[in-house]
Amino acid sequence: GAGVSQSPRYKVAKRGQDVALRCDPISGHVSLFWYQQALGQGPEFLTYFQNEAQLDKSGLPSDRFFAERPEGSVSTLKIQRTQQEDSAVYLCASSLDRGYNQPQHFGDGTRLSIL
Amino acid sequence: KQEVTQIPAALSVPEGENLVLNCSFTDSAIYNLQWFRQDPGKGLTSLLLIQSSQREQTSGRLNASLDKSSGRSTLYIAASQPGDSATYLCAVSSFGNEKLTFGTGTRLTIIP
Repeated sequence: GAGVSQSPRYKVAKRGQDVALRCDPISGHVSLFWYQQALGQGPEFLTYFQNEAQLDKSGLPSDRFFAERPEGSVSTLKIQRTQQEDSAVYLCASSLDRGYNQPQHFGDGTRLSIL
Repeated sequence: KQEVTQIPAALSVPEGENLVLNCSFTDSAIYNLQWFRQDPGKGLTSLLLIQSSQREQTSGRLNASLDKSSGRSTLYIAASQPGDSATYLCAVSSFGNEKLTFGTGTRLTIIP
């Protein structure tokens, strides 16, 4: 497809379970970002990749959060031992190149609900 | 730490009116500022990107301005339409960092 694709669109998990969220960026896009959006708030940065290298993970809220992009394309955000406060929409974005004036293109997100 | 504020949080206007959305940021050392719209249950759609060296950008009925020294941006929407109803978010990219820092958004409702 032409846009950023995220799956699943919705995920319900019980507290304590592990979850994995997938992001397929726009083909050829070098930079990939993960953001977390709580209800009624703006997205907050989690982590950033340039190709397969994770250059910034300063926004990950705890060591239960882990992201990877092993081949420089698809990325997975994993949350271990989920807690209720992890409930949010997780957004993935990609941009064409490493450049501070490249627009970020967003997927529709994964809505995660922890019961 | 960069902080972005958007006022008002919500706005309702009759169809056809022109309107202005406001965004302010605390650290003027930015690379660019982006305006996005977000429809319910959807991701963000990029509307306009203003580089730090620019004062404004235009796309159709939308015009975004940037005053970096005062830490402010406005999004002007001309001749509003019901299809413009959405949440509008501004975000800045700061020096040395490609991540975006977002405001909390303005929820816009255009009344037919």
